[in-house]
Amino acid sequence: GENVEQHPSTLSVQEGDSAVIKCTYSDSASNYFPWYKQELGKGPQLIIDIRSNVGEKKDQRIAVTLNKTAKHFSLHITETQPEDSAVYFCAAIGLNTGNQFYFGTGTSLTVIP
Amino acid sequence: GAGVSQSPSNKVTEKGKDVELRCDPISGHTALYWYRQSLGQGLEFLIYFQGNSAPDKSGLPSDRFSAERTGGSVSTLTIQRTQQEDSAVYLCASSLKAVSNQPQHFGDGTRLSIL
Repeated sequence: GENVEQHPSTLSVQEGDSAVIKCTYSDSASNYFPWYKQELGKGPQLIIDIRSNVGEKKDQRIAVTLNKTAKHFSLHITETQPEDSAVYFCAAIGLNTGNQFYFGTGTSLTVIP
Repeated sequence: GAGVSQSPSNKVTEKGKDVELRCDPISGHTALYWYRQSLGQGLEFLIYFQGNSAPDKSGLPSDRFSAERTGGSVSTLTIQRTQQEDSAVYLCASSLKAVSNQPQHFGDGTRLSIL
């Protein structure tokens, strides 16, 4: 099956700085990579996703990049704000993994005002 | 419309009791997924449904766990003879259909505590 690794496990940044979270995956057949934000006591919320036919996608302050050759993808948050503080999860899914999302172990992001 | 709804939001029960968790997916979503999240951990896949059918039950941790879905909508996850290691947040998600590039949308989960 797929194996997704996520780094770092914790990340602290000053408000206004950028934050980058990286994930690697093992199955070259994976073709869909969503990112989720989870606040305390809430379920994961989809914030951005990317499919394997593009290398980068941007939505306001959030961007995701995908390197299929190296099998890694990254979440970039610019101009961070205190409300960005949460746990972020990456996931991978592909034809060989059925319909099961394989999640990374999460990154706890703290934005310091 | 409304998002994924799960009930109860919290459940505290004694070891050995049976519990039933409920998930109401987004209207029109044919695929439904159950995950388990232990404290400070990632998400562990349990089972998914396409319509009322569960093609892959291999993620269920033991035979004490079962799930069903009727009418292509509401699903229940049942845990029999609960153990303390069953304590976790149980998350449900739904998607339009069970194909690999469809986003899954999560509910807020049921926090299960076994005393």
